[in-house]
Amino acid sequence: AQSVTQLGSHVSVSEGALVLLRCNYSSSVPPYLFWYVQYPNQGLQLLLKYTSAATLVKGINGFEAEFKKSETSFHLTKPSAHMSDAAEYFCALNQAGTALIFGKGTTLSVSS
Amino acid sequence: AAGVIQSPRHLIKEKRETATLKCYPIPRHDTVYWYQQGPGQDPQFLISFYEKMQSDKGSIPDRFSAQQFSDYHSELNMSSLELGDSALYFCASSTAYQETQYFGPGTRLLVL
Repeated sequence: AQSVTQLGSHVSVSEGALVLLRCNYSSSVPPYLFWYVQYPNQGLQLLLKYTSAATLVKGINGFEAEFKKSETSFHLTKPSAHMSDAAEYFCALNQAGTALIFGKGTTLSVSS
Repeated sequence: AAGVIQSPRHLIKEKRETATLKCYPIPRHDTVYWYQQGPGQDPQFLISFYEKMQSDKGSIPDRFSAQQFSDYHSELNMSSLELGDSALYFCASSTAYQETQYFGPGTRLLVL
């Protein structure tokens, strides 16, 4: 069975600080991995995805994630947090043509 | 670029009533997924369609049914609504056997 675990349901950082949101996965076959962001009362926006082309993936809004097979991880980072980054972040995986399996989500708070 | 359209955006129903949610995928996308996101929860897969045929089924209650039409739009029919059905319902679209799903803004259903 496949699963996604996001470590830390809530992460708080100061504006300008490094953002690190952790995601570990379990899959018997190579998965596709995604990070989605959800702002309050809004839909899910794709931040970035890993499709085996490159282990370091760059996404929108300055976010990036690194796929580490040995650690079964796909952590999301951003060098410098902005107030506008405050949102819910979901890590997800699937196989091509199948439903997404989501982690429980991490709420990112950014303080000035 | 055209995005996934969902209607209505908000819906209020009484217990035991019925509701119909509609999803219009991105043009030339032939695959539709439905997800349910309860308050403070991660999205859970309900059902998916490819070329107007059901392709996969998740945790969809028997009270719910769905279909995809010839123009690829999809409808989720919900009957005998319960308080616990109050949630955000997302539709996502994709092309056949592709990994990336694009989400609509969601329909927020409140059952009173």
